[in-house]
Amino acid sequence: AQKVTQAQTEISVVEKEDVTLDCVYETRDTTYYLFWYKQPPSGELVFLIRRNSFDEQNEISGRYSWNFQKSTSSFNFTITASQVVDSAVYFCALSFPYNQGGKLIFGQGTELSVKP
Amino acid sequence: ETGVTQTPRHLVMGMTNKKSLKCEQHLGHNAMYWYKQSAKKPLELMFVYNFKEQTENNSVPSRFSPECPNSSHLFLHLHTLQPEDSALYLCASAGVAGGITRTDTQYFGPGTRLTVL
Repeated sequence: AQKVTQAQTEISVVEKEDVTLDCVYETRDTTYYLFWYKQPPSGELVFLIRRNSFDEQNEISGRYSWNFQKSTSSFNFTITASQVVDSAVYFCALSFPYNQGGKLIFGQGTELSVKP
Repeated sequence: ETGVTQTPRHLVMGMTNKKSLKCEQHLGHNAMYWYKQSAKKPLELMFVYNFKEQTENNSVPSRFSPECPNSSHLFLHLHTLQPEDSALYLCASAGVAGGITRTDTQYFGPGTRLTVL
């Protein structure tokens, strides 16, 4: 089965708190991509990061960081010192670049609310 | 314009109307996608086009009819819709590397919020 699970439906934090969004995936393929997208209230999905299954290096981009662990099939996303502008729905997704037309399999999404 | 654009951004239509959604990408990509996002539901893939050819139809009712005249444009023609078709319709495009045919990151447009009365 190919599946992405985001167990946290909603998270609410106060500004400047750190927050981690969990993502667990299932696949038997050895070659795949993992993604995080942000969907603000305007509706557009904004691409944040893509990770290749062969690259387990963690990545940091400003206040954002991603922890990819193949041993636990997880690809978690941490926002450090959260801000009100981070309020959005965040989607984790899985795709198979060499087959299935790059079809994205999305998790249910986690709605993050950052309060001032 | 850059990226992926969609028009209109909002659409209200009756069940007997015919309307079309338009998507245009300025990224030089060769794969285009339609997704449906209903309230409180995950994104559902509807159609996939690679190099103007439809490669996937995810059991979408025939009242939705896609058209891809070239790699930069994608349309979704709507006819005799139902109220449950009210949703956000998102278009995406992705680069396809020649030879091995590897599909890269999908970039999304802002969506069309459709309301069917």
